[in-house]
Amino acid sequence: GGIITQTPKFLIGQEGQKLTLKCQQNFNHDTMYWYRQDSGKGLRLIYYSITENDLQKGDLSEGYDASREKKSSFSLTVTSAQKNEMAVFLCASRENSYAEQFFGPGTRLTVL
Amino acid sequence: QQQVRQSPQSLTVWEGETAILNCSYEDSTFDYFPWYHQFPGESPALLIAIRPVSNKKEDGRFTIFFNKREKKFSLHIADSQPGDSATYFCAARDNYAQGLTFGLGTRVSVFP
Repeated sequence: GGIITQTPKFLIGQEGQKLTLKCQQNFNHDTMYWYRQDSGKGLRLIYYSITENDLQKGDLSEGYDASREKKSSFSLTVTSAQKNEMAVFLCASRENSYAEQFFGPGTRLTVL
Repeated sequence: QQQVRQSPQSLTVWEGETAILNCSYEDSTFDYFPWYHQFPGESPALLIAIRPVSNKKEDGRFTIFFNKREKKFSLHIADSQPGDSATYFCAARDNYAQGLTFGLGTRVSVFP
């Protein structure tokens, strides 16, 4: 078994601020993801990474940067926080193309 | 453009009834179709998934019906229980993309 941890659990920032969310997994999975979940809008893919130092943009990448410096960790940076992006950010990981995708507990972002 | 459409937005059933949730998709390259459920305050968890080589997948009370020609798939929850009350998301992924494309979710309420 393994676990995905996300820090912080709650993140409060000011509009225009640069904010970083972190994700760690000990599954030894190759692929990691960042999704954003807005109320009533399902989950949308921001970035993913298929291996260490790889980055791939999802449908919602504008306004975000990501970093995969180690296989076990994947960070997401909100480059300039906006009030309309208050949401839950979910990290996920997957071993290979045919494996289940596991989600972390999420980081809830509030922008003041 | 919503590539995976899900209906209904919400569904109420009585205990013991069958709940039916529907999804449709547009992209013919999609070849993996999972259903996730999400309880309040928790992250999504995989419930059941199907690949187009099959038109039906069962796991206990949960069954996916898949129609490749019409690009539709549905989740049937038989003998619904109050503990099944949650938000259910359908999703799809193609062979080349790595992330899942999610529907907007169906909030299911099961009353005793």
